[in-house]
Amino acid sequence: ETGVTQTPRHLVMGMTNKKSLKCEQHLGHNAMYWYKQSAKKPLELMFVYNFKEQTENNSVPSRFSPECPNSSHLFLHLHTLQPEDSALYLCASSQDPGTVYEQYFGPGTRLTVT
Amino acid sequence: GESVGLHLPTLSVQEGDNSIINCAYSNSASDYFIWYKQESGKGPQFIIDIRSNMDKRQGQRVTVLLNKTVKHLSLQIAATQPGDSAVYFCADLNTGFQKLVFGTGTRLLVSP
Repeated sequence: ETGVTQTPRHLVMGMTNKKSLKCEQHLGHNAMYWYKQSAKKPLELMFVYNFKEQTENNSVPSRFSPECPNSSHLFLHLHTLQPEDSALYLCASSQDPGTVYEQYFGPGTRLTVT
Repeated sequence: GESVGLHLPTLSVQEGDNSIINCAYSNSASDYFIWYKQESGKGPQFIIDIRSNMDKRQGQRVTVLLNKTVKHLSLQIAATQPGDSAVYFCADLNTGFQKLVFGTGTRLLVSP
């Protein structure tokens, strides 16, 4: 266990649904990240939060809406997704913005959009 | 643009053999390199890292080699075991930008 948990582990949703992914880290870290992992593609950074403040939005469509209520929790709210959004969504954390090289990843949520 | 790539999508080895996984990067300003291992159903897990002022770094059964002249990174796994079967990613970091750039991954298959 890496100390980063994600729920649900699997999610199937229609294009008109609204759902949320949850990430929780038990490491006392102050930086949290959302990544998208598609087949045969590199991990794509989506969002970065440092000390609960969003510091990076990597040109992510507005149908993905992140929320970071505190340093331990990170959410990704999903609405009106497209089939090409089907992927593994990974959450990660690091001690602080300066230790971006030492990220701890959760197991991911496998999302399927039908 | 900036990219990190891998030479082979799949590498098959016999148990006990040494494995070498390669990675090329394009950003000459990258000053930190990391190898991750991702097992089925899990997120990436840190294996070993190396700074740009080093050529070689050794861990437990793993060695990372960095050739800045040709922008090439490799991960060597000694005495490969079935438990080493996973996808291996390289990533590079320009500490000025504070963002990791990942490669696509190489799947390592270890046969008993």
